[in-house]
Formats: sequence, structure tokens, C-alpha cells
Amino acid sequence: KAGVTQTPRYLIKTRGQQVTLSCSPISGHRSVSWYQQTPGQGLQFLFEYFSETQRNKGNFPGRFSGRQFSNSRSEMNVSTLELGDSALYLCASSNVAGYNEQFFGPGTRLTVL
Amino acid sequence: GNSVTQMEGPVTLSEEAFLTINCTYTATGYPSLFWYVQYPGEGLQLLLKATKADDKGSNKGFEATYRKETTSFHLEKGSVQVSDSAVYFCALSDTTGANNLFFGTGTRLTVIP
Repeated sequence: KAGVTQTPRYLIKTRGQQVTLSCSPISGHRSVSWYQQTPGQGLQFLFEYFSETQRNKGNFPGRFSGRQFSNSRSEMNVSTLELGDSALYLCASSNVAGYNEQFFGPGTRLTVL
Repeated sequence: GNSVTQMEGPVTLSEEAFLTINCTYTATGYPSLFWYVQYPGEGLQLLLKATKADDKGSNKGFEATYRKETTSFHLEKGSVQVSDSAVYFCALSDTTGANNLFFGTGTRLTVIP
């Protein structure tokens, strides 16, 4: 079974731009969660989508948004990029019938200049 | 609230040494507990998990026991290898029904030959 895939793997943007990241979950998984990883703040939960609905959201500004499609693929968008948005963005999928076990993709490394 | 406190690194060990990485948690309810590992340039891989008190998770020679009385989930391995060099994250599941994880700060392990 294929794992979680994320595209692109690397991105370079400038301040003020917006960016869209994509995540394809493991086949059959309906829950997709997004995390931001930075050296200073560690791993922080952004939001979770299940059946095209946002179920839970972390403590991030409204510039961070996401959506999920009917095939469970998910995108996250960051508008008006700031230098502090430079991070590794990780997507995780899970079968909610399990014990919240999440399977992570390789991440998208975003650099904001 | 839910939080994880993890042993600060970095940790440097010689090959075949014994490894312990401490992890304690604060949670309302009964979370599941996880150890994830991150190799350079990659996403997170689930190393082991435990879903209830006194459960022992194990994988690839690593072990951790869910201790409710001490709210701990320490990671151990009897004999580390160079290939174990990575960053290790302790995590707990949300106990409110949301499908997200709370992570510790990570412990970087370097094993030298």
C-alpha cells in the first residue's frame, strides 16, 4: 500500500506571496492532519480534515487554511507569507477506526525569503 | 490540557550502548502514547505505540511501557546501532475525540562507531 505523498517537496517563496501544498493520504484513510515543524516551536498541529470537513484546528492565524476533496486528498494554503512561515509542513493520514495512529508523509520544506 | 515533556538532547552514545530517552506527559482522560522517529530529510515514522496503561510497545529492539502512575512512556533500547541515529519524538493522542497528536520537543540521538 502506498504511503502518504506530499507535493511539492521543496518550495521557495517571497514574503507576501501565497502557497498551496498538497497531500495524498494512504488509500482508505479518510482523516488528514497537517503539522508545522520548526526548530523553535517544534511540531505543532495545524488542522484536521475528515470527509471534506475541518474537524479540529490548532492555534494558527487565519492565513493558514485547508480543504479536503471527495477522494480524501487535502491541500493547505498559506496566504500573505511571512518569514516565520518557513518550516517543514507535514501531512498525516489515519484510519479513524484505529487508536489515532497517524502515518506521516515526507513533508514539504517551505522557505520564505 | 495535554502536553509532553521529553528529555533534552542531544544524546551521543557509542555503538552497543544502552539507550533511555525519558518522556512524561500530562493529559486529561486516557490518551494513546507513541514514539516517532525522524531520519534526516524525512518525515516521521511511527516507531511504537501503547494504547492503555501497562501496555508495552516494541519494535526494532526499542521498547516503551505506558506507566499511568508515573505518567511516563520512556523509550529504551538495549544495544544501539549507528543506524539508530535520528531524532525521536514522544507523542500523545488528543483525548477529546479530535484526531491530533501532541508532540514533545524531540531528542536527537547520535550513535558513534
